[in-house]
Amino acid sequence: SAVISQKPSRDICQRGTSLTIQCQVDSQVTMMFWYRQQPGQSLTLIATANQGSEATYESGFVIDKFPISRPNLTFSTLTVSNMSPEDSSIYLCSVAPLQGFGANVLTFGAGSRLTVL
Amino acid sequence: TQLLEQSPQFLSIQEGENLTVYCNSSSVFSSLQWYRQEPGEGPVLLVTVVTGGEVKKLKRLTFQFGDARKDSSLHITAAQPGDTGLYLCAGGNAGGTSYGKLTFGQGTILTVHP
Repeated sequence: SAVISQKPSRDICQRGTSLTIQCQVDSQVTMMFWYRQQPGQSLTLIATANQGSEATYESGFVIDKFPISRPNLTFSTLTVSNMSPEDSSIYLCSVAPLQGFGANVLTFGAGSRLTVL
Repeated sequence: TQLLEQSPQFLSIQEGENLTVYCNSSSVFSSLQWYRQEPGEGPVLLVTVVTGGEVKKLKRLTFQFGDARKDSSLHITAAQPGDTGLYLCAGGNAGGTSYGKLTFGQGTILTVHP
């Protein structure tokens, strides 16, 4: 399976600032996914990052708050903009390199734990 | 909107005990995965089940997919401290727009005491 590197692994940010999280995959993948996880809790899909087109956002998430870039088949960034304490979460990058049933078998990065003061 | 109800949310047991985690939904899923996550790491896939009634075993872990593909269970026999972690069930559907989009349960935090 793919190996995913995410950085930063953790950061403490001030309210009102923005932070960009990077996700690097060791192989080319068609689609990358950004999830958010409250510590010790479940995961919620933020958006799907498509190479060559705009990201597709899930209900409750908007591009102005979470702009995403996908410049090539191995890299993506997620920016958390104008942060508030409610944005304190673990942000996870994931990929699903296969089609068919394999399309639902996700490989995750280690996550980026953001704390907003 | 598909939902997955996972229970219990917390489990604290002694080494050697057995346990079962449940994952239930009113919706049908094409596949269901179980992940385990340790602090500071992303979730790691344990198993995928795709056929109604399917049972898969992974050493001391037994996974079952309900006949109607709406529910699943994870049973651990003779739990060990190394089993400690967050267990997550996740349902997925086949088809282009569903590609890679999983619905996760709330998670079960398991602590196994020596």
